[in-house]
Amino acid sequence: EVQLVESGGGVVRPGGSRRLSCAASGFNFDAHGMDWVRQSPGKGLEWVCGVGWNGDNKNCAASVWGRFAISRDNAKNSLYLQMNSLRAEDTALYYCARSGGRDYDLHFDLWGQGTMISVSS
Amino acid sequence: IVFTQSPGTLSLSPGERATLSCRASQSVSGTYLAWYQQKPGQAPRLLIYGASTRATGVPDRFSGSGSGMDFTLTIGRLEPEDFAVYYCQHPGTFGQGTRIDIK
Repeated sequence: EVQLVESGGGVVRPGGSRRLSCAASGFNFDAHGMDWVRQSPGKGLEWVCGVGWNGDNKNCAASVWGRFAISRDNAKNSLYLQMNSLRAEDTALYYCARSGGRDYDLHFDLWGQGTMISVSS
Repeated sequence: IVFTQSPGTLSLSPGERATLSCRASQSVSGTYLAWYQQKPGQAPRLLIYGASTRATGVPDRFSGSGSGMDFTLTIGRLEPEDFAVYYCQHPGTFGQGTRIDIK
């Protein structure tokens, strides 16, 4: 089955760190860029970070620049998001999303169900 | 680049036509303009990419058009399952969404 399954969510203290994972199955993982997109409760969608098919090209939104880092392991069909210096405004449902080509941040044609991060003391 | 969707909410009845607008703050390539549907408690679903190409399995009542700064998603005849929130997207950014409610 073609799917993305996120894990790693939970409650984190402000200033804390967390690593999210996304396990891909059912498709050629290394043929696609991959991205993280988040959605704060009751709000819209925000692109967070993306990484190209081989991991060489990557970028993050200005709102998380320098605090979040994206990586991938093609041998394990897995995508990661290392989140440091977490803030209350990072509270959101984090989706793993497949980009529609080898580059990241094209259109997103496959989504996971999301993993929730709550930043609270 | 900022994308502004209008209207914020559209109240329509099943069988009616829905026209959703997505306006960019500057001209963009339609090659990278996409539309998504999101229902409560679900992940977004890709409907349209490249401004006008339907994604796999998307019914043909959904159509996309536009270029430059103005893009449109049209739903020809609303089915009960179409009442949802719709987002436009371009690399790096999403519009704020349009909600279609049952009138």
